[in-house]
Parts: sequence; C-alpha cells; structure tokens
Amino acid sequence: EVRLVESGGGLVQPGRSLRLSCAASGFTFEDYAMHWVRQPPGKGLEWVSGISWSSGSIDYADSVRGRFTISRDNDKNSLFLQMNSLRPEDTALYYCVKVRKSFKLLKDDAFDLWGQGSMVTVSS
Amino acid sequence: QSVLTQPPSASGTPGQRVTISCSGSNSNIAGNTLNWYQQLPGTAPKLLIYSTNQRPSGVPGRFSGSKSGTSASLAISGLQSEDEADYYCAAWDDSLKGWVFGGGTKLTVL
Repeated sequence: EVRLVESGGGLVQPGRSLRLSCAASGFTFEDYAMHWVRQPPGKGLEWVSGISWSSGSIDYADSVRGRFTISRDNDKNSLFLQMNSLRPEDTALYYCVKVRKSFKLLKDDAFDLWGQGSMVTVSS
Repeated sequence: QSVLTQPPSASGTPGQRVTISCSGSNSNIAGNTLNWYQQLPGTAPKLLIYSTNQRPSGVPGRFSGSKSGTSASLAISGLQSEDEADYYCAAWDDSLKGWVFGGGTKLTVL
C-alpha cells in the first residue's frame, strides 16, 4: 500500500523547536520530490517547503524561511522538517506530500499523495 | 489573504452542474498549470485535477477543469452528495517562487 505517515507533532512553547518525520512506503521514495503543506485549524492549505530527490534543490515559503529546514534520507524512505523559533501562527496540521511525476522540483507538477498529518500546536 | 481567490462557498442540488472559480495573476495561473484538490470532511486533501484539466486515475469524469488567462474553473456535473467537500486550487507562483493555494471553497449539496 502506498502511504505516508507523519509523526513528531505536539504542543510546544513559542520560541522552541520541533522535528517532524514522515515515513514513506509502497513506492520508490528516491524517485520523487517531496513537500510539506500545512493547514491551520479551520483554515486553508499553505505550502511550507519542498525538496528534490537528491536534496540538491530546496524551496521554502517566505513565512518559514530561515526558521524551518527540510531534509530527507532516501535510505530510510524518510522526510523531515526541523522547525525552530516556533511561533503561535505556526500552529497547524502538517502534511507530508509526494509529487505526481518527478524527482525534481517542477512548477508543473502536482501533489498526488498526502499523509494524514501531524498536529503542531505552539502555545505558552 | 490567499494569493489565489476562490468563493468561500458554493452549493447545488443532486444532479446539477456546479462551477468553482479560482482567480490569480500573470505570475501564477496565467503562466503555469493549475491543480485542484478535494478535501472531504476530516480527511487529507486528494488530488482531483492536475495540469489544469487532467484527471488522475480513479477520479470520475464528472470533474473537469479549465483555465483562461488569470482565471480557472472546476466544474462538477451530475452533482452527488459525496461531492460535499472543500475544494482548493493551487499553482506555482513565479514571483513568490513557491506554491500558492486558493482559500478554499466549501461545496454544499442541498
């Protein structure tokens, strides 16, 4: 079965750090670029970051650049998101997402497999 | 405030045809392909339409997408109760150098 399973979420104080993990199975992980997309409670979707198969290309949303770091381990079929200097506005369900067609970060690709999400709550 | 603009809500009765609009700019919709995602209540989003008008395997032909200039539309024909969901458009933005989403449209089947 093709699936993505996120973990590592929880309640954290403002200014602290958290690391999300995503375990991929059922497909050749290294053949695809991967992304993180988040959704605040009751609100819409926001793209966070993307990474190519080799980690040679990485993109970040302006809202997280300089605070979040995306990485991957192809040997372990895993995607990560290191989140530092967390703010209340980072509170959201974080989805691990696979692209449809490429190992590169392409602007004509699409997000075709989503995990169930890991909830991050930033509050004192 | 989302970069792509969608109506917050839409509705229709079973069997009807409903369209959901998505408005953007030259840096996103006009110059790049457009994707649509369906999020059923309490679940993760699902890819519904990619490359503006292509349906992934398993998506019924009732769903179709189109684009003209800086606007795009998702059409659902033969509306069914199970189509009740939130729908999001998304595209790459060349100016922001990132993916942008619409604010989402909540579709209610009356």
